[in-house]
Amino acid sequence: AQKITQTQPGMFVQEKEAVTLDCTYDTSDQSYGLFWYKQPSSGEMIFLIYQGSYDEQNATEGRYSLNFQKARKSANLVISASQLGDSAMYFCAMRGLDDKIIFGKGTRLHILP
Amino acid sequence: GAGVSQSPSNKVTEKGKDVELRCDPISGHTALYWYRQSLGQGLEFLIYFQGNSAPDKSGLPSDRFSAERTGGSVSTLTIQRTQQEDSAVYLCASSRMTSSYNEQFFGPGTRLTVL
Repeated sequence: AQKITQTQPGMFVQEKEAVTLDCTYDTSDQSYGLFWYKQPSSGEMIFLIYQGSYDEQNATEGRYSLNFQKARKSANLVISASQLGDSAMYFCAMRGLDDKIIFGKGTRLHILP
Repeated sequence: GAGVSQSPSNKVTEKGKDVELRCDPISGHTALYWYRQSLGQGLEFLIYFQGNSAPDKSGLPSDRFSAERTGGSVSTLTIQRTQQEDSAVYLCASSRMTSSYNEQFFGPGTRLTVL
């Protein structure tokens, strides 16, 4: 069975610092995809970044990068130069071969001015 | 519109009543997902559709919950004999079916309150 684990319920980070949000996963599928979503207080789900299991390069999108360590089954999100607007819930998700997508419990990130 | 839409946006019902939640996916998206999010919590997977079929219904919390999708488009999530613990935001998402990249696009959700 697939499983996503986010061990940090909440984090406080000073503005302009980099932050790493942890995500580990478990799957028996050889091919899978990993996603990160942001959910601000408005409740909308905003797609941030995607990493395929066969991608050799770590995915990057602007200030977001995904630190993919396949052997350790981890897919941490790194946000560089954090901004006040980054305060939100962040969810890690995984899609398996059957296209089912499951989410972790999330990390609430607070950026301090 | 071009995005995923859900209706109603808010639903208040009395315990024991049935409710229907509707999701209109993005045109051409063959995969459709239902999730439940309780206040301040993560997304709980309920069910997903590939076309009109549901390969995995394991996330449905009880037999009071059912979902269907017709014409490979609109989906309805039905909760019978609602209970207070059913109160949550119900999120729908759709995506294209590909062998690799498969971003989900989420609707705004339906906030269900069972009194």
